[in-house]
Amino acid sequence: AQSVTQLDSQVPVFEEAPVELRCNYSSSVSVYLFWYVQYPNQGLQLLLKYLSGSTLVKGINGFEAEFNKSQTSFHLRKPSVHISDTAEYFCAVFTSNTGKLIFGQGTTLQVKP
Amino acid sequence: NAGVTQTPKFRVLKTGQSMTLLCAQDMNHEYMYWYRQDPGMGLRLIHYSVGEGTTAKGEVPDGYNVSRLKKQNFLLGLESAAPSQTSVYFCASSFYSQETQYFGPGTRLLVL
Repeated sequence: AQSVTQLDSQVPVFEEAPVELRCNYSSSVSVYLFWYVQYPNQGLQLLLKYLSGSTLVKGINGFEAEFNKSQTSFHLRKPSVHISDTAEYFCAVFTSNTGKLIFGQGTTLQVKP
Repeated sequence: NAGVTQTPKFRVLKTGQSMTLLCAQDMNHEYMYWYRQDPGMGLRLIHYSVGEGTTAKGEVPDGYNVSRLKKQNFLLGLESAAPSQTSVYFCASSFYSQETQYFGPGTRLLVL
C-alpha cells in the first residue's frame, strides 16, 4: 500500500531565508504528486502538482518542487520566505490503482521576523 | 463562482445526537469527497462519490453515512455522534479523480 511521509512536523525559519519541506512516498506504481497549503482556519488550496514531464515543478507564491523517482521524494522549496508563508503544508500522492489521494501528516512552516 | 461551500461552519453536539453536514460545489465536478482532519494525522478520507447517485467508502467510514442525490451536493451524516468524531471536516471536489481537488472552508465539530 502506498504511504506519504513528511519528515518534519514543524519547520521554523527566519524571514527571507530559504526553506525546504521534505516529502517521501512509497508506491509500486506510477504516481501523481501534489503539495497543498492550508492557512489558519481555512481549507486547503493547491500549491503545485506533478503529473508528468519536467521533474521540476513551479507553483504559486514562488514555491517549487522536484520529483525524484529514484529517491521517491517530492521536496518543496522556496528560496526566500515571507511572514505570509506561515501555514501548514501537505504533501499528497495519487495512484491510479487506488484512485485515491493519500495525504501526509503535514508540516507547519513558522516564519519568524 | 463560490467554489466549494460547507454548512455549518461550527457545531457542538452531545454524544448520541445526529447531524448532517452539507457540501455544495458549483464547478460541475463529478467527484466529491469528505475528509476529516485531526492533529498530526493529515487528512483522512471518509467517503467519496464518483458521480450523482454513487457513494463509496474511504479510509475511515465507520460512524458516517453519505448521500449524493444531486451532482452539486454531497451530504455527510452522523447518526449517533461520539467524542471520537470531534474533528474538522473538509469537503472537496474534482473533475477527474487524478486532478486537483478543490476544498471547502471546513466544519469544526465538537462532540461532548
